[in-house]
Amino acid sequence: AQSVTQLGSHVSVSEGALVLLRCNYSSSVPPYLFWYVQYPNQGLQLLLKYTTGATLVKGINGFEAEFKKSETSFHLTKPSAHMSDAAEYFCAVRKAAGNKLTFGGGTRVLVKP
Amino acid sequence: DVKVTQSSRYLVKRTGEKVFLECVQDMDHENMFWYRQDPGLGLRLIYFSYDVKMKEKGDIPEGYSVSREKKERFSLILESASTNQTSMYLCASSGQESLETQYFGPGTRLLVL
Repeated sequence: AQSVTQLGSHVSVSEGALVLLRCNYSSSVPPYLFWYVQYPNQGLQLLLKYTTGATLVKGINGFEAEFKKSETSFHLTKPSAHMSDAAEYFCAVRKAAGNKLTFGGGTRVLVKP
Repeated sequence: DVKVTQSSRYLVKRTGEKVFLECVQDMDHENMFWYRQDPGLGLRLIYFSYDVKMKEKGDIPEGYSVSREKKERFSLILESASTNQTSMYLCASSGQESLETQYFGPGTRLLVL
């Protein structure tokens, strides 16, 4: 069975500071990995995904994530936080041959002026 | 643009009532999903469907059923609502290809009194 752990349910960052959201997974086979963002009162929107190939993946809104197989991690970063980044972020995994996503518990990001 | 719509944004029901949540997608996607979202638990899969009249249980199907009579529409049914089903319900859809992204609706916040 797959599982996803997001370290920290809440993260507070200052505007302009680095955003780092941690995600570790357990999977018996190399998975596909996703980060989704949920803005207040909205559904989830895909930020980026890793399937195969280059392990550093760039997404929308300046976010990127690196797949590290040896650490079973897929941490999300953004060099400089913006007020509009305040949202909840979810890491998810999926088997390559499957269509079911397993989500982490989510990390809510607060951006301070 | 992919559009996934859900019939209600907010719903208040009484214990024991039968509740229908409707989801419609306009991208001719084969796969459709129902999740519930609870603080700290992320999203958990209730049921999914990979074709008309086909369904599979997700991780937490107890107390729920689904119906998919048409490709674009996937309904979640609470046969007898209970207070522990108070939650945010999210619908998603995706195409058949293995690299396909899941697209989410805006969610229905259900309160069971």
